[in-house]
Amino acid sequence: QLQLQESGPGLVKPSETLSLTCTVSGGSISSSSYYWGWIRQPPGKGLEWIGSIYYSGSTYYNPSLKSRVTISVDTSKNQFSLKLSSVTAADTAVYYCARHKDTGYGMDVWGQGTTVTVSS
Amino acid sequence: SYELTQPLSVSVALGQTARITCGGNNIGSKNVHWYQQKPGQAPVLVIYRDSNRPSGIPERFSGSNSGNTATLTISRAQAGDEADYYCQVWDSSTFYVFGTGTKVTVL
Repeated sequence: QLQLQESGPGLVKPSETLSLTCTVSGGSISSSSYYWGWIRQPPGKGLEWIGSIYYSGSTYYNPSLKSRVTISVDTSKNQFSLKLSSVTAADTAVYYCARHKDTGYGMDVWGQGTTVTVSS
Repeated sequence: SYELTQPLSVSVALGQTARITCGGNNIGSKNVHWYQQKPGQAPVLVIYRDSNRPSGIPERFSGSNSGNTATLTISRAQAGDEADYYCQVWDSSTFYVFGTGTKVTVL
């Protein structure tokens, strides 16, 4: 059974870079037709898609975050990562990683989420 | 940018039918997905591509999509259906977009 697990610092200082990793277990990140994405949810608010990556490295980013986001994949470790630069308090959220089959499909497997707080 | 609008809240009596709408410009031309999120938990996909149920999702959950509105229907509502529900589409310019979310209360 495919499982996703987010990891990374729970506290990041303003203006610094948030870095998270999602480890895929029970399956290969190189499976064809699957994308791997990041989604976040600020406290008490709705879901916001951040971006997605294919195992080959092609990416889609939320236009509103594109200038600050980098998503990368490491097939040797079965992991993909998120970097969000120049963070502010508005980036405080639960960050989820998830899988989706191509762009016309829903996200069928999710990680449990990890809370990231931006504070000095 | 493409936007999806949902009612803030929907109430339904135990055993009755709840309908949650998701409004967007010509949403009928797009594939709509629905997620259920309970407090403190990750979202769960309950409907994909308008009306398809993933394995393990009860038949009580169904979806439709036409014109400017997509609808998630929960039949024979149970206490365990209380949750936040989000719609989602892929748009060619905005890419993945989530709806504003609807809190479902079972009375």
